[in-house]
Amino acid sequence: AQSVTQPDIHITVSEGASLELRCNYSYGATPYLFWYVQSPGQGLQLLLKYFSGDTLVQGIKGFEAEFKRSQSSFNLRKPSVHWSDAAEYFCAVGAGTNAGKSTFGDGTTLTVKP
Amino acid sequence: EAGVVQSPRYKIIEKKQPVAFWCNPISGHNTLYWYRQNLGQGPELLIRYENEEAVDDSQLPKDRFSAERLKGVDSTLKIQPAELGDSAVYLCASSLDRGNTEAFFGQGTRLTVV
Repeated sequence: AQSVTQPDIHITVSEGASLELRCNYSYGATPYLFWYVQSPGQGLQLLLKYFSGDTLVQGIKGFEAEFKRSQSSFNLRKPSVHWSDAAEYFCAVGAGTNAGKSTFGDGTTLTVKP
Repeated sequence: EAGVVQSPRYKIIEKKQPVAFWCNPISGHNTLYWYRQNLGQGPELLIRYENEEAVDDSQLPKDRFSAERLKGVDSTLKIQPAELGDSAVYLCASSLDRGNTEAFFGQGTRLTVV
């Protein structure tokens, strides 16, 4: 069975600083990987996805993620965080391209200090 | 274009009472999902519909939960009777079809059972 671990429950960064959110997955075959963001009181919004090809994927809002098969990781990065990035971030792994069937991690809450 | 619409946004009920949640997916989206998101956790899929057919309901507690998607458009999720442990956010999402790579989420219904 597939699973996702997000080791950091809560991360605080200063505005303008760089950000990396960790995600480790467990899946027996080629994984389909997703990052979502959830602002308070809102639904989840897809930031980016990886299916195959270039292991560095670009997403919306200036985010990127790198797939490392050897480490079973799919970490999310942003070079300069904005106050509006404060939210909860979920990594998900799927058995196919259907994002809705994915298994989600428990999320990382990002706080941005002024 | 309207996104996924859910109602109500909030619901407080006493245990043993029934409750229903409604979801209207994005127009033209054939696939609809219901998730439960417990506090501090990621969403867990309860049921997935392809048009009006429930194709994946293995995680739906069938003794008290039921769902329907008549005419393959909007959907209702019901709990009867509700238990304290059912307190959670119930999310609805839709995608164009089962092969589509992005699921669009509604804002969710926050259920509190007292």
